[in-house]
Amino acid sequence: SYVLTQPPSVSVAPGQTARITCGGNNIGSKSVHWYQQKPGQAPVLVVYDDSDRPSGIPERFSGSNSGNTATLTISRVEAGDEADYYCQVWDSSSDHQVFGTGTKVTVL
Amino acid sequence: EVQLVESGGGLVQPGGSLRLSCAASGFTFSSYEMNWVRQAPGKGLEWVSYISSSGSTIYYADSVKGRFTISRDNAKNSLYLQMNSLRAEDTAVYYCASTIGLPNDAFDIWGQGTMVTVSS
Repeated sequence: SYVLTQPPSVSVAPGQTARITCGGNNIGSKSVHWYQQKPGQAPVLVVYDDSDRPSGIPERFSGSNSGNTATLTISRVEAGDEADYYCQVWDSSSDHQVFGTGTKVTVL
Repeated sequence: EVQLVESGGGLVQPGGSLRLSCAASGFTFSSYEMNWVRQAPGKGLEWVSYISSSGSTIYYADSVKGRFTISRDNAKNSLYLQMNSLRAEDTAVYYCASTIGLPNDAFDIWGQGTMVTVSS
């Protein structure tokens, strides 16, 4: 089955840039979606199709995808960005949605 | 307002059964694919199952195949998950999720979740 690997944690100071990676075999050939989840809340879509943002999501959230790594970038990090982040792809070989292992972003 | 509301969670013994429901409102439910996603306490997200808008196509995660059954009633704007032969590892918050406003399979709408606890 297809596996997506994320770093367990990323720490960043306010105003700086956080980069969260999502590794998978030839992930660059797939469309990657990213979710933000705060404690006790349902996930919220922040980036879809590698780099597009749903309405209402700040431009500070951006994404890229190439080769074996997709990346979610949060610019000018704010305290409110502290959350867990998950990547997601559709694995057509198994007809399964696959979520990454998740990354906890801590704002110092 | 577009909304998904899950219900039916609770405490069940190992080997038991439970049926979850997800009530949709604010959009044309019959036009959209639906999914169940779960999250064990302190763990990450795990996709559980998918059903097409008509119900003709269904997929399951390997961990629940043969034990869980997804279904929908478009006349009642409702999605269901029948869970049988429950195990301790099925303990999780169960979310229903869908793609409403985007031309892809990203989940742009989620319910608030319902907790399922499998324990004796």
